[in-house]
Amino acid sequence: KAGVTQTPRYLIKTRGQQVTLSCSPISGHRSVSWYQQTPGQGLQFLFEYFSETQRNKGNFPGRFSGRQFSNSRSEMNVSTLELGDSALYLCASSFGTQWDEQFFGPGTRLTVL
Amino acid sequence: AQKVTQAQTEISVVEKEDVTLDCVYETRDTTYYLFWYKQPPSGELVFLIRRNSFDEQNEISGRYSWNFQKSTSSFNFTITASQVVDSAVYFCALIKETSGSRLTFGEGTQLTVNP
Repeated sequence: KAGVTQTPRYLIKTRGQQVTLSCSPISGHRSVSWYQQTPGQGLQFLFEYFSETQRNKGNFPGRFSGRQFSNSRSEMNVSTLELGDSALYLCASSFGTQWDEQFFGPGTRLTVL
Repeated sequence: AQKVTQAQTEISVVEKEDVTLDCVYETRDTTYYLFWYKQPPSGELVFLIRRNSFDEQNEISGRYSWNFQKSTSSFNFTITASQVVDSAVYFCALIKETSGSRLTFGEGTQLTVNP
């Protein structure tokens, strides 16, 4: 069974630009969550989508947004990039209950110059 | 609000030593779920174990074992006879019943196993 895939794997942008990251979950999974990982703040939850609806949202500014499509694929968008947005962005998929094992993708490494 | 603390930032051991990674959590919920994940240098988080708050049985899986104690709000992870391939960052995490699939992670412990 194919794992969680994330594209692109690496991205370099400049301040003020916007970026869209993509996540394809494991087939049959309806929940996709996004996390930001930085050396200073660790792993922080961005948001979760379940059946095309945002079910949970972390404490990030409105520049961070996401969506989920009917095939459960998800995208996250960051507008007006700041230097502090440089991070590894990980997505995880699961069937959707708290008990379920969440499978993580390899991440997208975003560098903002 | 919930919180997970992994006080050990880095641990270095020699191969074949046993090592315990500590995890302490805080939550006001009576129903919650605890997890351990491994993050090798490749970056992908790998699921190791989950526990719900009503199951305090310890678990052993090969060289890995977990000790869950509600009385001390701890969920510690022991690797017996460590190997170089165990070198990674290990994260403890918590999900509370009402938070969907939202994982709250600890800071992580960097484990280095030297040959």
